[in-house]
Amino acid sequence: GENVEQHPSTLSVQEGDSAVIKCTYSDSASNYFPWYKQELGKRPQLIIDIRSNVGEKKDQRIAVTLNKTAKHFSLHITETQPEDSAVYFCAAGNQGGKLIFGQGTELSVKP
Amino acid sequence: DGGITQSPKYLFRKEGQNVTLSCEQNLNHDAMYWYRQDPGQGLRLIYYSQIVNDFQKGDIAEGYSVSREKKESFPLTVTSAQKNPTAFYLCASSTRQPSSNQPQHFGDGTRLSIL
Repeated sequence: GENVEQHPSTLSVQEGDSAVIKCTYSDSASNYFPWYKQELGKRPQLIIDIRSNVGEKKDQRIAVTLNKTAKHFSLHITETQPEDSAVYFCAAGNQGGKLIFGQGTELSVKP
Repeated sequence: DGGITQSPKYLFRKEGQNVTLSCEQNLNHDAMYWYRQDPGQGLRLIYYSQIVNDFQKGDIAEGYSVSREKKESFPLTVTSAQKNPTAFYLCASSTRQPSSNQPQHFGDGTRLSIL
């Protein structure tokens, strides 16, 4: 069935370093790839998304890249800050409206 | 997103009891979704609805039921058939376009526990 694998499950970086989270999807019909940030006990918040007709998208310190051939997409956070600490989820969606989520990455940014 | 309201924030269920989680949105979104989140795991889709009076099963629909009688409301009932209902339940909504996915926006969630 449809599946999204996300790695790593935990990631610890020093403040100011970069963080990279990677996801792989199985459904070749997937054409929409959002990333969500979830702080403890709170709702997931959309931080960036990319569609299959684009290879890369940036928003300040956050960027997402997509490799459709490899069915692989990644989140890049530069100049990390302690407030970036949270759980990050990737997801893949097709025209049917469903999103399949990855298992999440707990990012810890140490001051 | 202030436009999606879930209630209650905390809910306790007794054995054999059905409970209903409320989700209301004032964003004029056509599509609404229910997810279940277990500790340390991602979100799993329970049910979704693209339009009023229509809904589809997600990946883990067994033991749950929904209705979509109004555009702004999508209540989820956790029935006694759901043997492990303890989880964090998240409702989401999005606009609907036939040819593309649209961003989903989430409510604050309901935490359900067994008494």
